[in-house]
Amino acid sequence: RKEVEQDPGPFNVPEGATVAFNCTYSNSASQSFFWYRQDCRKEPKLLMSVYSSGNEDGRFTAQLNRASQYISLLIRDSKLSDSATYLCVVPRGFQKLVFGTGTRLLVSP
Amino acid sequence: DTGVSQDPRHKITKRGQNVTFRCDPISEHNRLYWYRQTLGQGPEFLTYFQNEAQLEKSRLLSDRFSAERPKGSFSTLEIQRTEQGDSAMYLCASSFVPGLAPVEQFFGPGTRLTVL
Repeated sequence: RKEVEQDPGPFNVPEGATVAFNCTYSNSASQSFFWYRQDCRKEPKLLMSVYSSGNEDGRFTAQLNRASQYISLLIRDSKLSDSATYLCVVPRGFQKLVFGTGTRLLVSP
Repeated sequence: DTGVSQDPRHKITKRGQNVTFRCDPISEHNRLYWYRQTLGQGPEFLTYFQNEAQLEKSRLLSDRFSAERPKGSFSTLEIQRTEQGDSAMYLCASSFVPGLAPVEQFFGPGTRLTVL
């Protein structure tokens, strides 16, 4: 089983839709998690950190379910500019990040 | 621009040649990381430095790969005798880690390597 698993998508949604991605992780000892966003041919950039049950930032909500070992990312009122790949990230130890394959989102007019 | 910079941005080389990439981290960051990303995959950890000390190397880092951070500032990643399977985006990241908790890593734009 991979350490971090994501559905690669793509998820095709219209503008204004709500879309959710799930990510499962194998290390039950993991305490913190990240969602990074990566635009095509660009570097990953931090979108949200998740340290407890969840986090909310505007249209973005991340939730953590420790019992089932999954993290979700919810995007409300999707914008064209939200089109990107969303990478679920689980730190291993304190020094390195383990990335999922990413979930590709395409928002259409 | 005070972000992480990488040079070159693109490198095309022939199989068997050696290549070297450079990364300049954010100046106050004490940790520097190298990752590799292939198409359709997330970045994979290669190695990291705490100041000038290389503290961990992934099994992905074969003996053809070597990384240095001689003065605790910029870092270089060298690949000797390149193979076509080395073709990937090589990403550098840096962070300031005052304690034990994982923190955000800031990524550079990457060096895209193509081995012909």
